[in-house]
Amino acid sequence: AQSVTQLGSHVSVSEGALVLLRCNYSSSVPPYLFWYVQYPNQGLQLLLKYTSAATLVKGINGFEAEFKKSETSFHLTKPSAHMSDAAEYFCAVSDRGNNAGNMLTFGGGTRLMVKP
Amino acid sequence: NAGVTQTPKFQVLKTGQSMTLQCAQDMNHEYMSWYRQDPGMGLRLIHYSVGAGITDQGEVPNGYNVSRSTTEDFPLRLLSAAPSQTSVYFCASSYSRTQYFGPGTRLLVL
Repeated sequence: AQSVTQLGSHVSVSEGALVLLRCNYSSSVPPYLFWYVQYPNQGLQLLLKYTSAATLVKGINGFEAEFKKSETSFHLTKPSAHMSDAAEYFCAVSDRGNNAGNMLTFGGGTRLMVKP
Repeated sequence: NAGVTQTPKFQVLKTGQSMTLQCAQDMNHEYMSWYRQDPGMGLRLIHYSVGAGITDQGEVPNGYNVSRSTTEDFPLRLLSAAPSQTSVYFCASSYSRTQYFGPGTRLLVL
């Protein structure tokens, strides 16, 4: 069974600082990988997804993530944090079969706090 | 285009009561799913459906039933509510490897 580990349930950065949210997966075959964001009292929204050869994936709101097979990682970064980035972020994986992207296994989430 | 809608937004139940959480989507997506969200555990898949008339169990199906009579609707039934089912429930539909989530139903079981 696949699993996803997000290191750090809470991350705090200053406005303008680099954002780095960590995600590691365990799977014998490189899966599809996703980052979702959840703003307070809302559902989840897709930030970006890795499904093909391009290992550096750009998403919405200036976020990007790099798939590193050797490290089984898919860390999320943003060069300069904005107050509006404060939210909870979830890394998720799915296999590459018929249900690719449909049946997701989520990590525990990382709450990002941005200090003025 | 309303996307994925869920009702109710908030519900309080007593142990042993039953209820149905409603979910509807207007995007004509074949795939729909139900998740529960608990602190520190992310989202866990309860049940999913790959099309009308077809449902299957996810990671945590016990205590829940689903049916899919139409493409648009995918209700989740709690048969006999327990305090362990206190959670936030999200319905999602999926297309092109992207899930579209509803706003959630917050359920408290006393």
